[in-house]
Amino acid sequence: DAMVIQNPRYQVTQFGKPVTLSCSQTLNHNVMYWYQQKSSQAPKLLFHYYDKDFNNEADTPDNFQSRRPNTSFCFLDIRSPGLGDAAMYLCATSRDPGVQETQYFGPGTRLLVL
Amino acid sequence: AQSVTQLDSQVPVFEEAPVELRCNYSSSVSVYLFWYVQYPNQGLQLLLKYLSGSTLVKGINGFEAEFNKSQTSFHLRKPSVHISDTAEYFCAVSEIGGNKLVFGAGTILRVKS
Repeated sequence: DAMVIQNPRYQVTQFGKPVTLSCSQTLNHNVMYWYQQKSSQAPKLLFHYYDKDFNNEADTPDNFQSRRPNTSFCFLDIRSPGLGDAAMYLCATSRDPGVQETQYFGPGTRLLVL
Repeated sequence: AQSVTQLDSQVPVFEEAPVELRCNYSSSVSVYLFWYVQYPNQGLQLLLKYLSGSTLVKGINGFEAEFNKSQTSFHLRKPSVHISDTAEYFCAVSEIGGNKLVFGAGTILRVKS
């Protein structure tokens, strides 16, 4: 089945130690998104790629970066995780940009910062 | 900027009873509206969306929602719920022509036997 895969499902890191979360997709979609979802809060868009074009949300901290080496993979890098970065990180894809396009979500990676 | 308020953080309901999950939004422009469902340990899945046309939108799994522009609401309903509907439900809004979904904080639907 075509899908969005996120590994690992749970990630533990230490305060200040760089961490990378990964997302892959077999849908061959052009757009990939990263959302942050803190406990009992709404998912919040961090950034998205349309093909190779990177689009950062204005309020996304500089501590968060992303890479998309090819259509299938997208990575979220947190350069110096703080305790406040503990959250569920959701990856999503859509065929084309524009919210009228359905977004397909992965199961998420829960990040714990010690 | 848009915002979404889901009025109930948790809704308990007995199996086969009807349910309504409430969603209100705020926007200065015309919007698209969405409901997503998240089952335990799974990603969000689109239930239904309103882009234009009929204000009553039917989605998967027997859910429907009605867009009410005057009340800025997009409440989700199901006439008879099943145990398998236990999940978290997210309402989302976007301005027409935009590329960003703004989500509500979610409503946990607990269906009891």
